[in-house]
Amino acid sequence: DVKVTQSSRYLVKRTGEKVFLECVQDMDHENMFWYRQDPGLGLRLIYFSYDVKMKEKGDIPEGYSVSREKKERFSLILESASTSQTSMYLCASSSPQAGGYNEQFFGPGTRLTVL
Amino acid sequence: AQSVTQPDIHITVSEGASLELRCNYSYGATPYLFWYVQSPGQGLQLLLKYFSGDTLVQGIKGFEAEFKRSQSSFNLRKPSVHWSDAAEYFCAAVFGNEKLTFGTGTRLTIIP
Repeated sequence: DVKVTQSSRYLVKRTGEKVFLECVQDMDHENMFWYRQDPGLGLRLIYFSYDVKMKEKGDIPEGYSVSREKKERFSLILESASTSQTSMYLCASSSPQAGGYNEQFFGPGTRLTVL
Repeated sequence: AQSVTQPDIHITVSEGASLELRCNYSYGATPYLFWYVQSPGQGLQLLLKYFSGDTLVQGIKGFEAEFKRSQSSFNLRKPSVHWSDAAEYFCAAVFGNEKLTFGTGTRLTIIP
C-alpha cells in the first residue's frame, strides 16, 4: 500500500517563526502536493511538484514556499508564520499517467496552530 | 470558472437509513470525478472515481455514485448507513490537468 507520512500530527508555533512541514512518500511517486484544509472552504492547493527540484504554484501560494530535493520528500515552508496560517495541512502524492489521471494518496495531515 | 459544489454543509441521517450526498460541477466537458472520505483526525481516503464508461460507479465501503451529464452531477449514495460512516465527504474533480479541485465538503452525522 502507498504510504504518505507527515512529520507531525500537531504543531504549535508562534507568529514570525519559520515553520517546516515535512512529507514523505514510499511509492516512488513523481507528483507531490500540499493542501490546506479549512472549515467551509474544503481543500485548497498551495504548491505541487512534478519532479525533484521542480515546483508549481497552486491556488494559494502566498506566504508559503516548498522544497523538493529528493523524490520521496516534499517540504512546505512558512517563512514567517502568521495566525492566518493556522490550519490543517495535507500532503498527497501520485504518479503521472499519460492521457489520464492517477489517484492522489493523502497523508494524515498536520494541524498547525500559530499563536 | 471550473468549480465543484457540494450544496449540503451538514447532513444527519439515522443509522440504517439511505444516504445521498450531492455534488455538482461546472465545466465545459466531462471531468474526472472523485469522492473522498475523511474520518475524524484522518487524511482523505478515496471512495470511488469516474473517468468514463458506465455512469454508475461502485466504490469501497458499500458506496456508489452516479454520473449524470445532463445535470452536471455526481451524487454519492449508500442504501443503509452505519455509525462508522460518520465523517466528512469531499467531492473532487480534475478539469483537464493533474490538479484536483475540491468541493467544500459535507459533514455526515449518524444518529442511532
